Amino acid sequence: GAVVSQHPSRVICKSGTSVKIECRSLDFQATTMFWYRQFPKQSLMLMATSNEGSKATYEQGVEKDKFLINHASLTLSTLTVTSAHPEDSSFYICSALERGPPRYEQYFGPGTRLTVT
Amino acid sequence: GQNIDQPTEMTATEGAIVQINCTYQTSGFNGLFWYQQHAGEAPTFLSYNVLDGLEEKGRFSSFLSRSKGYSYLLLKELQMKDSASYLCAVRSGGSYIPTFGRGTSLIVHP
Repeated sequence: GAVVSQHPSRVICKSGTSVKIECRSLDFQATTMFWYRQFPKQSLMLMATSNEGSKATYEQGVEKDKFLINHASLTLSTLTVTSAHPEDSSFYICSALERGPPRYEQYFGPGTRLTVT
Repeated sequence: GQNIDQPTEMTATEGAIVQINCTYQTSGFNGLFWYQQHAGEAPTFLSYNVLDGLEEKGRFSSFLSRSKGYSYLLLKELQMKDSASYLCAVRSGGSYIPTFGRGTSLIVHP
């Protein structure tokens, strides 16, 4: 099956700094990627949909200036958490969409555990 | 909007059978996924149901009733490694982006 990688897997940063997370589709081209956030024992919450070559579409309540998304190529999307605060500590997961009927299946990356101190 | 409901936690014995239910309320339903997620890892795809009925895949089976807004994931011959969170996700309204339920944490004990 298709493989999606994420880097880094874990990151600890100080409050006020910015962190960049990369999401790559390794063996297929993904025109659409998604960024999710997951708090402990909670569901996956969609933050934004990233389309190659265009601006990301953010879900209601997600600050676009705080969570910067860049989808510059068909295999790479990045999420930058700017001016991170402890409440941004979470598990961030990306997924890439491989188009094609009937499933339009998403392949998930392994996730990035962000801890803001 | 969508409302997806799953039990928060279930426990079962190794070797047994467990059924995890998912109910949903949505308009324009066009597919239901089940994913398995181990702690600290990304979800992995288990099944996808669009039509009513049971689909079997090895030890795992998934059932869908669109008229009842109901699905279940059936796990047979439980193994310790099946301890994980099981996420139900529904696609609807012409969107290809599914909405995830809160997940059911399954604990398998010896």
